Amino acid sequence: AQKITQTQPGMFVQEKEAVTLDCTYDTSDPSYGLFWYKQPSSGEMIFLIYQGSYDQQNATEGRYSLNFQKARKSANLVISASQLGDSAMYFCAMREGDQYSGGGADGLTFGKGTHLIIQP
Amino acid sequence: EAQVTQNPRYLITVTGKKLTVTCSQNMNHEYMSWYRQDPGLGLRQIYYSMNVEVTDKGDVPEGYKVSRKEKRNFPLILESPSPNQTSLYFCASSLYGDSEQFFGPGTRLTVL
Repeated sequence: AQKITQTQPGMFVQEKEAVTLDCTYDTSDPSYGLFWYKQPSSGEMIFLIYQGSYDQQNATEGRYSLNFQKARKSANLVISASQLGDSAMYFCAMREGDQYSGGGADGLTFGKGTHLIIQP
Repeated sequence: EAQVTQNPRYLITVTGKKLTVTCSQNMNHEYMSWYRQDPGLGLRQIYYSMNVEVTDKGDVPEGYKVSRKEKRNFPLILESPSPNQTSLYFCASSLYGDSEQFFGPGTRLTVL
């Protein structure tokens, strides 16, 4: 079974509208972290936001927020007031375990990504 | 400036010709990883390293080797490249295993 599932291969959104990018995950580890990365056409991976499994509140970073629903194992990215520069691939990723449990050392598992296109 | 660097950024080579992609980070990070990115598949981990002389296989290690002789460097070695290794490769580092990963700019490799 896939550990990270992004069900939207592509999305077209009107500029200034809010966007929700879906991500569901699968893990039995009680300690895990969820990441979102943006990859513009230039190719670099840009970190956007992080949510730890024990965090009580949803993470926010500027226009980005993470709608974390632990019981449903979902970690959707919300972009408010979308801009043309938001057009890119977006990847959800998870690391399982942490330094205290002896895990987390083996990097991230990525979803297949969502290609977001913002239209003027 | 804190960064992860990769060289070369672009490489076209032929089947069977050994090559090395270098990766270096200046943040004194313990953990380093290599990923490959292919259309429709997202990023898949090739190898990772928890510290000097400590490396382990990721999800797709076949055809690749790595070494970690110094903390800052984590080269990816293709002893005998094949066309199915044509891909975009990313090196990443993090302070701990569970902290944010910083990615290099990527290396686009084509094997003819």
